Amino acid sequence: NAGVTQTPKFRVLKTGQSMTLLCAQDMNHEYMYWYRQDPGMGLRLIHYSVGEGTTAKGEVPDGYNVSRLKKQNFLLGLESAAPSQTSVYFCASSPDSDYEQYFGPGTRLTVT
Amino acid sequence: GEDVEQSLFLSVREGDSSVINCTYTDSSSTYLYWYKQEPGAGLQLLTYIFSNMDMKQDQRLTVLLNKKDKHLSLRIADTQTGDSAIYFCAEGDRQGGKLIFGQGTELSVKP
Repeated sequence: NAGVTQTPKFRVLKTGQSMTLLCAQDMNHEYMYWYRQDPGMGLRLIHYSVGEGTTAKGEVPDGYNVSRLKKQNFLLGLESAAPSQTSVYFCASSPDSDYEQYFGPGTRLTVT
Repeated sequence: GEDVEQSLFLSVREGDSSVINCTYTDSSSTYLYWYKQEPGAGLQLLTYIFSNMDMKQDQRLTVLLNKKDKHLSLRIADTQTGDSAIYFCAEGDRQGGKLIFGQGTELSVKP
């Protein structure tokens, strides 16, 4: 099993550009999550999904959209990138709400 | 809303014990977790404790939970240089299985 993978690992965007981050898991997990990690702030939840075709807002959803068309994939979109979205983005998945979350290796995004 | 607080830095000497502390606000959390993040990597679950437990021991790790004070601690015995990492405390929110993370404590182990 590859576990949770994220694509790409690094990306530099100019302000106003758009991009999609892909998260894939091969563990047949129902729950998937997108977090951002900023220095001194821990991880903050952007959006999450409790199953294929469902999404919900987390703590910091503004400026991001997500889709979960297939159970194994969770996409995070930035329609018009801003410097405030410079961060490290982590995807995670979990089989159920009371189980541990398995994290991907992260995507380092810089918006100039 | 829920909040989880940790101190940002801890420095210890190799062989000493490390104690990382965490306070949380949501008394309805079912589980409390400790995750470890090594440089340039994602988070890995170290250990967890169910909310009706006071203590959990797992090899060099001891988790203490004081529900009355909403205080969680992680003790690492015989700390090694390989334990240098950022340690995150997190409480579990049953709505969608969301985790609320603390800011992370950067543990530095000096030889």
